[in-house]
Amino acid sequence: QKEVEQNSGPLSVPEGAIASLNCTYSDRGSQSFFWYRQYSGKSPELIMSIYSNGDKEDGRFTAQLNKASQYVSLLIRDSQPSDSATYLCAVKFGGSYIPTFGRGTSLIVHP
Amino acid sequence: ETGVTQTPRHLVMGMTNKKSLKCEQHLGHNAMYWYKQSAKKPLELMFVYSLEERVENNSVPSRFSPECPNSSHLFLHLHTLQPEDSALYLCASSQDLVSGYGEAFFGQGTRLTVV
Repeated sequence: QKEVEQNSGPLSVPEGAIASLNCTYSDRGSQSFFWYRQYSGKSPELIMSIYSNGDKEDGRFTAQLNKASQYVSLLIRDSQPSDSATYLCAVKFGGSYIPTFGRGTSLIVHP
Repeated sequence: ETGVTQTPRHLVMGMTNKKSLKCEQHLGHNAMYWYKQSAKKPLELMFVYSLEERVENNSVPSRFSPECPNSSHLFLHLHTLQPEDSALYLCASSQDLVSGYGEAFFGQGTRLTVV
Protein backbone atom coordinates (compact mmCIF):
# COMPACT_ATOMS: atom_id res chain seq x y z
CA GLN A 1 0.00 0.00 0.00
CA LYS A 2 1.44 3.35 -1.02
CA GLU A 3 1.38 5.78 1.88
CA VAL A 4 2.24 9.32 2.88
CA GLU A 5 3.25 9.66 6.51
CA GLN A 6 3.21 12.78 8.64
CA ASN A 7 3.49 13.31 12.37
CA SER A 8 0.10 14.65 13.43
CA GLY A 9 1.66 16.94 16.06
CA PRO A 10 0.88 19.44 17.29
CA LEU A 11 4.21 21.04 16.58
CA SER A 12 4.55 24.10 18.77
CA VAL A 13 7.13 26.80 17.99
CA PRO A 14 7.64 30.33 19.29
CA GLU A 15 7.01 33.30 17.06
CA GLY A 16 10.07 34.09 14.94
CA ALA A 17 11.47 30.55 15.04
CA ILE A 18 11.85 28.12 12.15
CA ALA A 19 9.13 25.51 11.92
CA SER A 20 10.17 22.23 10.30
CA LEU A 21 7.48 19.91 8.96
CA ASN A 22 8.37 16.48 7.64
CA CYS A 23 6.73 13.97 5.35
CA THR A 24 7.84 10.52 4.21
CA TYR A 25 6.40 8.46 1.39
CA SER A 26 6.58 4.84 0.40
CA ASP A 27 6.88 4.89 -3.40
CA ARG A 28 10.38 5.47 -4.75
CA GLY A 29 8.92 6.27 -8.17
CA SER A 30 7.03 9.34 -6.95
CA GLN A 31 7.59 12.46 -9.01
CA SER A 32 5.44 15.31 -7.70
CA PHE A 33 5.19 16.64 -4.17
CA PHE A 34 2.93 19.31 -2.69
CA TRP A 35 2.41 21.14 0.56
CA TYR A 36 -1.03 22.47 1.44
CA ARG A 37 -2.03 24.65 4.37
CA GLN A 38 -5.45 24.20 5.94
CA TYR A 39 -6.80 26.58 8.53
CA SER A 40 -9.39 25.21 10.92
CA GLY A 41 -12.76 24.96 9.22
CA LYS A 42 -11.32 25.98 5.83
CA SER A 43 -10.27 24.15 2.70
CA PRO A 44 -6.68 23.19 1.83
CA GLU A 45 -4.65 25.86 0.04
CA LEU A 46 -1.63 24.96 -2.11
CA ILE A 47 1.48 26.72 -0.86
CA MET A 48 4.40 24.84 -2.47
CA SER A 49 5.10 22.23 -5.09
CA ILE A 50 8.45 20.55 -5.74
CA TYR A 51 9.52 18.04 -8.37
CA SER A 52 13.31 17.67 -8.20
CA ASN A 53 15.82 16.99 -5.45
CA GLY A 54 17.04 19.92 -3.44
CA ASP A 55 15.52 23.06 -2.05
CA LYS A 56 12.86 25.34 -3.43
CA GLU A 57 12.28 28.67 -1.75
CA ASP A 58 9.24 30.94 -1.89
CA GLY A 59 9.25 33.80 0.57
CA ARG A 60 9.41 32.41 4.10
CA PHE A 61 8.73 28.88 2.85
CA THR A 62 11.33 26.36 1.73
CA ALA A 63 10.48 22.91 0.47
CA GLN A 64 13.22 20.28 0.59
CA LEU A 65 13.07 17.05 -1.37
CA ASN A 66 15.30 14.01 -0.99
CA LYS A 67 14.09 11.23 -3.30
CA ALA A 68 16.80 8.80 -2.22
CA SER A 69 15.61 8.98 1.38
CA GLN A 70 11.97 9.40 0.33
CA TYR A 71 11.18 12.44 2.35
CA VAL A 72 9.99 15.95 1.69
CA SER A 73 10.00 18.72 4.25
CA LEU A 74 8.67 22.23 4.60
CA LEU A 75 10.54 24.91 6.51
CA ILE A 76 8.80 28.09 7.61
CA ARG A 77 11.19 30.85 8.60
CA ASP A 78 10.24 33.65 10.97
CA SER A 79 7.08 31.80 11.99
CA GLN A 80 4.05 33.94 12.73
CA PRO A 81 0.90 33.14 14.73
CA SER A 82 -0.97 33.39 11.42
CA ASP A 83 0.99 30.34 10.24
CA SER A 84 -0.86 28.24 12.82
CA ALA A 85 -2.71 25.66 10.73
CA THR A 86 -2.58 22.05 9.61
CA TYR A 87 -0.04 21.37 6.88
CA LEU A 88 -0.87 18.58 4.46
CA CYS A 89 1.75 16.77 2.42
CA ALA A 90 0.58 15.30 -0.88
CA VAL A 91 2.54 12.97 -3.15
CA LYS A 92 1.81 11.89 -6.69
CA PHE A 93 2.98 8.29 -6.80
CA GLY A 94 4.54 6.83 -9.91
CA GLY A 95 1.90 5.68 -12.36
CA SER A 96 -0.85 7.66 -10.64
CA TYR A 97 -2.30 10.96 -11.73
CA ILE A 98 -3.94 11.69 -8.38
CA PRO A 99 -1.95 12.95 -5.37
CA THR A 100 -2.27 10.99 -2.12
CA PHE A 101 -2.55 13.10 1.02
CA GLY A 102 -1.03 12.54 4.43
CA ARG A 103 -3.00 13.11 7.64
CA GLY A 104 -1.42 16.53 8.13
CA THR A 105 0.69 18.10 10.87
CA SER A 106 -0.86 20.67 13.16
CA LEU A 107 1.42 23.67 13.68
CA ILE A 108 0.94 26.12 16.54
CA VAL A 109 3.00 29.31 16.56
CA HIS A 110 2.73 30.99 19.95
CA PRO A 111 3.56 34.66 20.59
CA GLU B 1 -12.37 32.89 -3.31
CA THR B 2 -10.18 30.25 -4.93
CA GLY B 3 -11.95 29.97 -8.26
CA VAL B 4 -13.71 26.83 -7.10
CA THR B 5 -17.11 27.51 -5.54
CA GLN B 6 -19.12 25.03 -3.52
CA THR B 7 -22.71 25.27 -2.35
CA PRO B 8 -24.15 24.94 0.15
CA ARG B 9 -21.45 25.68 2.73
CA HIS B 10 -23.37 23.87 5.47
CA LEU B 11 -26.00 21.15 5.20
CA VAL B 12 -27.94 19.23 7.81
CA MET B 13 -29.99 16.36 6.50
CA GLY B 14 -31.93 13.43 7.82
CA MET B 15 -31.10 9.89 6.87
CA THR B 16 -34.12 9.66 4.57
CA ASN B 17 -33.51 12.94 2.75
CA LYS B 18 -32.13 13.49 -0.73
CA LYS B 19 -29.85 16.44 -1.29
CA SER B 20 -27.18 17.55 -3.75
CA LEU B 21 -23.85 19.31 -3.37
CA LYS B 22 -22.76 21.62 -6.15
CA CYS B 23 -19.29 22.61 -7.29
CA GLU B 24 -18.37 25.12 -9.99
CA GLN B 25 -14.88 26.01 -11.15
CA HIS B 26 -13.95 29.15 -13.05
CA LEU B 27 -10.34 28.16 -13.80
CA GLY B 28 -10.75 26.47 -17.15
CA HIS B 29 -9.59 23.16 -15.67
CA ASN B 30 -10.39 19.79 -17.20
CA ALA B 31 -10.30 17.59 -14.09
CA MET B 32 -12.56 17.75 -11.07
CA TYR B 33 -12.61 15.77 -7.85
CA TRP B 34 -14.72 15.02 -4.80
CA TYR B 35 -12.92 14.43 -1.50
CA LYS B 36 -14.24 13.55 1.94
CA GLN B 37 -12.45 14.87 5.02
CA SER B 38 -13.35 13.38 8.38
CA ALA B 39 -11.82 14.32 11.70
CA LYS B 40 -8.37 12.81 12.31
CA LYS B 41 -8.31 11.11 8.89
CA PRO B 42 -6.44 11.90 5.68
CA LEU B 43 -8.33 13.37 2.79
CA GLU B 44 -10.20 10.54 1.08
CA LEU B 45 -10.56 10.70 -2.67
CA MET B 46 -14.09 9.77 -3.72
CA PHE B 47 -14.47 10.49 -7.44
CA VAL B 48 -12.42 11.90 -10.29
CA TYR B 49 -13.74 13.33 -13.55
CA SER B 50 -11.68 14.22 -16.56
CA LEU B 51 -13.40 16.05 -19.41
CA GLU B 52 -16.75 15.02 -17.94
CA GLU B 53 -15.82 11.32 -17.89
CA ARG B 54 -15.56 9.53 -14.56
CA VAL B 55 -12.10 8.03 -14.33
CA GLU B 56 -11.96 6.91 -10.74
CA ASN B 57 -14.43 5.69 -8.16
CA ASN B 58 -12.73 4.74 -4.92
CA SER B 59 -15.17 2.11 -3.64
CA VAL B 60 -17.64 4.77 -2.60
CA PRO B 61 -21.07 3.55 -1.40
CA SER B 62 -23.87 3.95 -3.91
CA ARG B 63 -25.67 6.40 -1.63
CA PHE B 64 -23.20 8.92 -3.08
CA SER B 65 -23.82 9.59 -6.77
CA PRO B 66 -21.66 12.04 -8.74
CA GLU B 67 -22.65 13.92 -11.85
CA CYS B 68 -20.50 16.03 -14.16
CA PRO B 69 -22.64 17.69 -16.84
CA ASN B 70 -19.72 19.76 -18.19
CA SER B 71 -16.12 20.48 -17.31
CA SER B 72 -17.06 23.44 -15.09
CA HIS B 73 -19.70 21.80 -12.92
CA LEU B 74 -19.71 18.82 -10.59
CA PHE B 75 -22.49 17.54 -8.38
CA LEU B 76 -22.66 15.00 -5.59
CA HIS B 77 -26.13 13.59 -5.08
CA LEU B 78 -26.82 12.22 -1.62
CA HIS B 79 -29.56 9.85 -0.49
CA THR B 80 -30.21 7.66 2.55
CA LEU B 81 -26.97 8.72 4.21
CA GLN B 82 -25.71 7.46 7.55
CA PRO B 83 -24.49 9.52 10.52
CA GLU B 84 -20.92 8.37 9.79
CA ASP B 85 -21.15 10.20 6.47
CA SER B 86 -21.02 13.48 8.36
CA ALA B 87 -17.85 15.20 7.20
CA LEU B 88 -16.42 18.06 5.18
CA TYR B 89 -16.90 17.39 1.48
CA LEU B 90 -14.37 19.12 -0.70
CA CYS B 91 -14.44 19.72 -4.42
CA ALA B 92 -11.17 20.34 -6.24
CA SER B 93 -10.04 20.94 -9.79
CA SER B 94 -6.76 20.71 -11.66
CA GLN B 95 -5.63 21.61 -15.16
CA ASP B 96 -5.83 18.01 -16.34
CA LEU B 97 -4.76 14.52 -15.36
CA VAL B 98 -1.92 14.05 -17.80
CA SER B 99 0.20 17.13 -17.25
CA GLY B 100 2.23 15.28 -14.65
CA TYR B 101 2.00 18.01 -12.04
CA GLY B 102 -1.39 17.73 -10.45
CA GLU B 103 -1.70 20.91 -8.46
CA ALA B 104 -5.25 20.79 -7.20
CA PHE B 105 -7.25 23.82 -6.14
CA PHE B 106 -9.95 23.30 -3.57
CA GLY B 107 -13.33 24.85 -2.96
CA GLN B 108 -14.37 25.97 0.51
CA GLY B 109 -16.17 22.73 1.20
CA THR B 110 -19.60 21.69 2.38
CA ARG B 111 -19.88 20.78 6.05
CA LEU B 112 -22.42 17.95 6.05
CA THR B 113 -24.17 16.72 9.17
CA VAL B 114 -26.42 13.67 8.94
CA VAL B 115 -28.92 13.38 11.77
